[in-house]
Amino acid sequence: AQSVAQPEDQVNVAEGNPLTVKCTYSVSGNPYLFWYVQYPNRGLQFLLKYITGDNLVKGSYGFEAEFNKSQTSFHLKKPSALVSDSALYFCAVRGSSGNTGKLIFGQGTTLQVKP
Amino acid sequence: GAGVSQSPRYKVAKRGQDVALRCDPISGHVSLFWYQQALGQGPEFLTYFQNEAQLDKSGLPSDRFFAERPEGSVSTLKIQRTQQEDSAVYLCASSLPDREAFFGQGTRLTVV
Repeated sequence: AQSVAQPEDQVNVAEGNPLTVKCTYSVSGNPYLFWYVQYPNRGLQFLLKYITGDNLVKGSYGFEAEFNKSQTSFHLKKPSALVSDSALYFCAVRGSSGNTGKLIFGQGTTLQVKP
Repeated sequence: GAGVSQSPRYKVAKRGQDVALRCDPISGHVSLFWYQQALGQGPEFLTYFQNEAQLDKSGLPSDRFFAERPEGSVSTLKIQRTQQEDSAVYLCASSLPDREAFFGQGTRLTVV
C-alpha cells in the first residue's frame, strides 16, 4: 500500500534561515512525488514534483526538494525562509503504474517563519 | 477558465439533508478528482473521472456519496442524508493526463 509520512506537525524557523520540511514515502514501483502548499482558506497550490531524472528538483517560490531513493525521502527545502512562506505544506505520492493518478497525501506540516 | 472553480464555498446542512457540490475544472483537463479534507488532516481521495467515465470510486466512504461528470466537464459530488461525520472541506482537482493536479479552493461543508 502507498503511504506518505510527514513526521513533524510543525516546523519553526527564523526569517532568512534555511528550512527543511521532511517527507518519507512508501510505494511499489517508481514513485511520483509532489509538494503542495495550502494557505488559510485557500486550495492547495502545486510547488514541485519529482518524476524521474535529477534528484534535486526546483519549484515555485524558491523551493526545492531532494529525492533520496535509498532513504525513501523527499524533503522540501529553501535556502532562505520568508515570513510569507508560513503555511501548511503537504507531501504526496502517486504510483507510477496501473494508477488512476490519485494522490496519497501526508498529514501536513505547518511551517512558521518568524521575523 | 483560469483555475478550478468550486461552489458553494461554504455550505451548512442539517443532518439528514441532501447536498450537491459543484466543480468546474480547468478547460481541457481530462482528469478530475474529488478529495475530502477533514480538519487538521491531509486530503483523502474520494473518486476519479477521466472525461465522463468514473474510473475509480474506491475512496467514497459510503453509498450516500455519489459523483457524476455527465459531459466530461463540470462535476457534481452529491451527499445524501448528511451526517455529522461528513463535515469537511471537499476539494476538486483537475489535470492533463500524467500531469500535476490543480486544486480548487474547496467547499467547506458543516453538518449541524
